[in-house]
Amino acid sequence: GAGVSQSPSNKVTEKGKDVELRCDPISGHTALYWYRQSLGQGLEFLIYFQGNSAPDKSGLPSDRFSAERTGGSVSTLTIQRTQQEDSAVYLCASSKTYSNQPQHFGDGTRLSIL
Amino acid sequence: SQQGEEDPQALSIQEGENATMNCSYKTSINNLQWYRQNSGRGLVHLILIRSNEREKHSGRLRVTLDTSKKSSSLLITASRAADTASYFCATGESGAGSYQLTFGKGTKLSVIP
Repeated sequence: GAGVSQSPSNKVTEKGKDVELRCDPISGHTALYWYRQSLGQGLEFLIYFQGNSAPDKSGLPSDRFSAERTGGSVSTLTIQRTQQEDSAVYLCASSKTYSNQPQHFGDGTRLSIL
Repeated sequence: SQQGEEDPQALSIQEGENATMNCSYKTSINNLQWYRQNSGRGLVHLILIRSNEREKHSGRLRVTLDTSKKSSSLLITASRAADTASYFCATGESGAGSYQLTFGKGTKLSVIP
C-alpha cells in the first residue's frame, strides 16, 4: 500500500515481557518518527530517524525503550520488561525530509500490558 | 513538553454549523500544521501554514495564523457528521536543523446530525 503500515494493530502482553512494534514508512521518506499517545491525550514524541540514524533519542521514557531502523526503511520499537504504564497507542509517522514537513501517520499499535 | 494548546478541549455542534478551534503556542515557529484523528486511527494532515502566511484555505477549512499573538485558528464551515474527530495543532520550531513537530492535546469535535 501507499501509506504508513504498523504491526501488530493490537498487542496484549503480560507485565515483564518484551514487545516489538514494527513500522513500514512510505517508500522514499527519509524521516521516521515514533510517538506515544495515552488515552485522550496528545502525542508524546519518542524518537526520530533521519535515514538509519537517530539524532534525537531524548524522548525515550527509559532505557527499557529502544528503536532501530534498517535500510532507510522499516523501523522497530522495542520495549523490554514491559510495565503497566507502557500501555498506550504507539504511532509511527514518516515524512519526505526531516525539516518540519507534513507527517504521514500509520494507524498505530494499541499496546495493553496486563 | 507540549507547545501547542488547543481550545476548547471539546466542542459539540449541529450539522451545518461552523466549528472554530484555537491553538496557542510559545516559541518561534517555522510553520504550524493541523491534523485530524478519527477514533482508533492515526493522524491525517489537513493543512500547513508557514510563519510568513496569515491565512490559508483548503476546501471547507480556513486556517489563520497570528505570530504576534502566537496563535492559530481552524475554521470548519458547514460541518458534517463525518467531521466528528479530534483536531490537533502541531508547531514546527524555527532554527537550523529543526525537525520536530510538537503536538497539542487536541480538540474533540462532535457534529450532531
